[in-house]
Amino acid sequence: AQKITQTQPGMFVQEKEAVTLDCTYDTSDPSYGLFWYKQPSSGEMIFLIYQGSYDQQNATEGRYSLNFQKARKSANLVISASQLGDSAMYFCAMRVGLTGGGNKLTFGTGTQLKVEL
Amino acid sequence: GAVVSQHPSWVICKSGTSVKIECRSLDFQATTMFWYRQFPKQSLMLMATSNEGSKATYEQGVEKDKFLINHASLTLSTLTVTSAHPEDSSFYICSARDRLAGASYNEQFFGPGTRLTVL
Repeated sequence: AQKITQTQPGMFVQEKEAVTLDCTYDTSDPSYGLFWYKQPSSGEMIFLIYQGSYDQQNATEGRYSLNFQKARKSANLVISASQLGDSAMYFCAMRVGLTGGGNKLTFGTGTQLKVEL
Repeated sequence: GAVVSQHPSWVICKSGTSVKIECRSLDFQATTMFWYRQFPKQSLMLMATSNEGSKATYEQGVEKDKFLINHASLTLSTLTVTSAHPEDSSFYICSARDRLAGASYNEQFFGPGTRLTVL
């Protein structure tokens, strides 16, 4: 069975600083994908970044980057130059398999990020 | 970008009544849609996988007779909470996968969610 662990229930960061949100995963399948989503208080799930298990380079999307350490089974999200609008709940998720029924996402428990002035 | 809508965005109902929630993919076709449930301050828990034209696949512990799922077209899936009770009060979120998405990258597009309150 696959599992996602987010050990930081809450994080604080100063505006304009960088912050790292931790995520570790567990799966025996060699083919998987890792996702990060942002959920503001409105409830919508906003896709941030994706990393495939066979991707050679760490994914980046604007101010978001994913620190993918395959041997450690970690996929930490780094947000650079934090903004007040980054305050939200952040979920790490994993999808095992590439096709067919392997499209299910397993979510971690989330990290509540608060950006302060 | 791909847009998924949900209707209603919130609903309040009396205990014992049934509530239907719609999930639509607006600008793409989705052979597969997913229904999640999220309690306050908790993670998303997958309830079921909805496949167009076939029966939904429910996760362990989810009552299929209580949470009826119908995926009648490539753009619409519905979740009906039958005989709702206060413990069914939750945030229900659907997501959809683009039928044309490549096998190696299967981002799911999420709807805005439906907040159900059962009195």
